Amino acid sequence: EVQLVESGGGLVQPGGSLRLSCAASGFTFSSYWMSWVRQAPGKGLEWVANIKQDGSEKYYVDSVKGRFTISRDNAKNSLYLQMNSLRAEDTAVYYCLPQLERRGYFDYWGQGTLVTVSS
Amino acid sequence: SYVLTQPPSVSVAPGKTARITCGGNNIGSKSVHWYQQKPGQAPVLVIYYDSDRPSGIPERFSGSNSGNTATLTISRVEAGDEADYYCQVWDSSSDLVVFGGGTKLTVL
Repeated sequence: EVQLVESGGGLVQPGGSLRLSCAASGFTFSSYWMSWVRQAPGKGLEWVANIKQDGSEKYYVDSVKGRFTISRDNAKNSLYLQMNSLRAEDTAVYYCLPQLERRGYFDYWGQGTLVTVSS
Repeated sequence: SYVLTQPPSVSVAPGKTARITCGGNNIGSKSVHWYQQKPGQAPVLVIYYDSDRPSGIPERFSGSNSGNTATLTISRVEAGDEADYYCQVWDSSSDLVVFGGGTKLTVL
């Protein structure tokens, strides 16, 4: 059974930092692209970033470029998102999601972790 | 950057057919995936690669994609289909994943 357990969310002040983690199990983690997707309260889905199977390619939505860094540890079946210079508009539930290929779909969703940026 | 446009809302009577569109420049050349999200729940994949249906998704759900519009069609709509629906593609020009803004389906 595929399991995706996101953690590391919480309340942080504007300008602060957080590191999200995602523990994956039930599939061959090293064979999948991995993405972070977020959803602000009452808003739609927004793709944030993804990383290739071996970590050699990383892509970001413009709004987080230069502030967020995606990384992975295939030995630990784990995905990370380092978030710096956080803004109120980064407040959202963050999901980590596997994709077999870049043009592919997200068929497994965890419960996500809530990040709240507020003073 | 690539933009996907969905109508904010669609309303349909029970038993009728709902069609939710997703517009994008030459979207017919891309692979489109659709998600259903009910309040308080994570999204669920309902259509992948334009028209394929995951196991467990009713045959009432179907998809098509041509030209500048992809369409999610829900036949014989039930009250339980009331949810937000999102389309998603990968844009090879920018190497980015894109979601549509979402459509709230209301069953009258």
